[in-house]
Amino acid sequence: GNSVTQMEGPVTLSEEAFLTINCTYTATGYPSLFWYVQYPGEGLQLLLKATKADDKGSNKGFEATYRKETTSFHLEKGSVQVSDSAVYFCALSDQGGSEKLVFGKGTKLTVNP
Amino acid sequence: ETGVTQTPRHLVMGMTNKKSLKCEQHLGHNAMYWYKQSAKKPLELMFVYNFKEQTENNSVPSRFSPECPNSSHLFLHLHTLQPEDSALYLCASSQDFAGGNEQFFGPGTRLTVL
Repeated sequence: GNSVTQMEGPVTLSEEAFLTINCTYTATGYPSLFWYVQYPGEGLQLLLKATKADDKGSNKGFEATYRKETTSFHLEKGSVQVSDSAVYFCALSDQGGSEKLVFGKGTKLTVNP
Repeated sequence: ETGVTQTPRHLVMGMTNKKSLKCEQHLGHNAMYWYKQSAKKPLELMFVYNFKEQTENNSVPSRFSPECPNSSHLFLHLHTLQPEDSALYLCASSQDFAGGNEQFFGPGTRLTVL
């Protein structure tokens, strides 16, 4: 079945550091890929998405590229801020129209001033 | 109110209590979802409703009983829960089931079962 594996956390960085959170997936067909973010005390919010191979999703300085050859969707940001401290979830949905989102376990990011 | 709202935000209950969680979406969506979020585990999809019809029951114990009276409201009725059911319960909605659709999440209900 479909699955998502993302790097174990927690990740602690200093402000303005470069961020990478790795995500790889296993899926049949051609899934859509997502990064969701959960700030403390809140629900998940969509950060970015990509629906086909080689697409790049971007938002708030974050980027991720859908790499079919390596089945990856790594999240990157060039310069993190304290306000980026949150839990980040990689997820996929079956492009065939399934309502199921399959999530990774989440990676907690803490950015220190 | 905008987006997806959930009440209550926090709930403490004993194992013999009966309580209900409420979710309301103000987005005009047709699909609604219940997820369970436990520490150190991936989000678990519990139930899915599309146009008020349940389309997914992900092997959830019968002590959890969902209800979807219309496309805007979703309830999760709880009875005789166990301490391991303590978790954050998240509600979400989406426009429909087309691939690539974003799910919008509520803030969750933090449930503690004593």
